[in-house]
Amino acid sequence: GAVVSQHPSRVICKSGTSVKIECRSLDFQATTMFWYRQFPKKSLMLMATSNEGSKATYEQGVEKDKFLINHASLTLSTLTVTSAHPEDSSFYICSITGTGQETQYFGPGTRLLVL
Amino acid sequence: GQNIDQPTEMTATEGAIVQINCTYQTSGFNGLFWYQQHAGEAPTFLSYNVLDGLEEKGRFSSFLSRSKGYSYLLLKELQMKDSASYLCAQALKAAGNKLTFGGGTRVLVKP
Repeated sequence: GAVVSQHPSRVICKSGTSVKIECRSLDFQATTMFWYRQFPKKSLMLMATSNEGSKATYEQGVEKDKFLINHASLTLSTLTVTSAHPEDSSFYICSITGTGQETQYFGPGTRLLVL
Repeated sequence: GQNIDQPTEMTATEGAIVQINCTYQTSGFNGLFWYQQHAGEAPTFLSYNVLDGLEEKGRFSSFLSRSKGYSYLLLKELQMKDSASYLCAQALKAAGNKLTFGGGTRVLVKP
């Protein structure tokens, strides 16, 4: 499978600040990247789908102005949590897939804690 | 919405076999995935079924019945390291490559 990295792996920030999370595909042309959020003991909830060079498509209930997604290349997508609040504390995971591919490969996740 | 149902928790003994069932809505079906997720880590891909039948990969096998909207993941010769959550996920034709995940089944392997 594909190798996916995320940075940072863990971040603590103050309420009101912005946090940027990077998702990199190390050995795969990721035409599509997905961003998920997972709360403790819950399943993955898709936040948005990002195609290289296009605007992200957000799921219902996810604020696009709060969760900014950029997918500028086939190997990098970023998620910026703007004006973070304690309720944004969660495990954020990206996944990648390629053209004609069904399988998604996941990054190691970023644990965000907003104080 | 898309309902994917799987048991919340299962407990089994080391060396035994456990079967995790998953049911999904058949409309627009485009493939069924199983992922393993250890606590605090991201999911890792286990299997993908798009045709009926059993796919075997070492100690893990996955089965699909499209007419019944049913899949199972079979874990054989359980090891302590198999203690994890197992996520059933469905791909939909109308949704591109998006996956919808079930709530996950936490499997606890006891000595």
